[in-house]
Amino acid sequence: DAGVTQSPTHLIKTRGQQVTLRCSPKSGHDTVSWYQQALGQGPQFIFQYYEEEERQRGNFPDRFSGHQFPNYSSELNVNALLLGDSALYLCASSLVRLAGMDTQYFGPGTRLTVL
Amino acid sequence: AQSVTQLGSHVSVSEGALVLLRCNYSSSVPPYLFWYVQYPNQGLQLLLKYTTGATLVKGINGFEAEFKKSETSFHLTKPSAHMSDAAEYFCAVTRTGANNLFFGTGTRLTVIP
Repeated sequence: DAGVTQSPTHLIKTRGQQVTLRCSPKSGHDTVSWYQQALGQGPQFIFQYYEEEERQRGNFPDRFSGHQFPNYSSELNVNALLLGDSALYLCASSLVRLAGMDTQYFGPGTRLTVL
Repeated sequence: AQSVTQLGSHVSVSEGALVLLRCNYSSSVPPYLFWYVQYPNQGLQLLLKYTTGATLVKGINGFEAEFKKSETSFHLTKPSAHMSDAAEYFCAVTRTGANNLFFGTGTRLTVIP
């Protein structure tokens, strides 16, 4: 049973560029959440996707956008990259619940470096 | 609003000694609490979680945590540290109906041979 997978593993971009990160959820999961983990910090919630729509968003600017596909995989897009966007981007998958949040399972992350 | 405070950004223990990593939470509603471990250059792995029911929760790799509502704490313990326990540990909180986790800043555990 494949867990959460993310691609690419590492990425180097320059300021002002755009980047797309990809995530495939754990088999059987239908919900994908994205987190940003800056160096030395805990992960911070960016947004969550379910049924191809954004369900909830954290305190991140509109430069951060996402998409979920019919097969539940997801993309995170960041436009107009800033140096401060350098971080480990984590994808987590779970099953939607009407009440209560199912456990989130994390992928290995994509390390983004902005020069 | 929900938040988590992890006391001690670095903890060092000798191999075979007790591991105690502290986590205090703030939540206006009954919380769901989690401990995750992160090894170098890897993602997060779930150690254990508390939702409802028994307040002492057992997880993987011999770890356990106790939910203490009166102290708003969810400390992580392991009776005997192993070298392979060296990693970064994150406490996280959420609530019923929420869609995201709020993480602490992490505690780096070093195990001394």
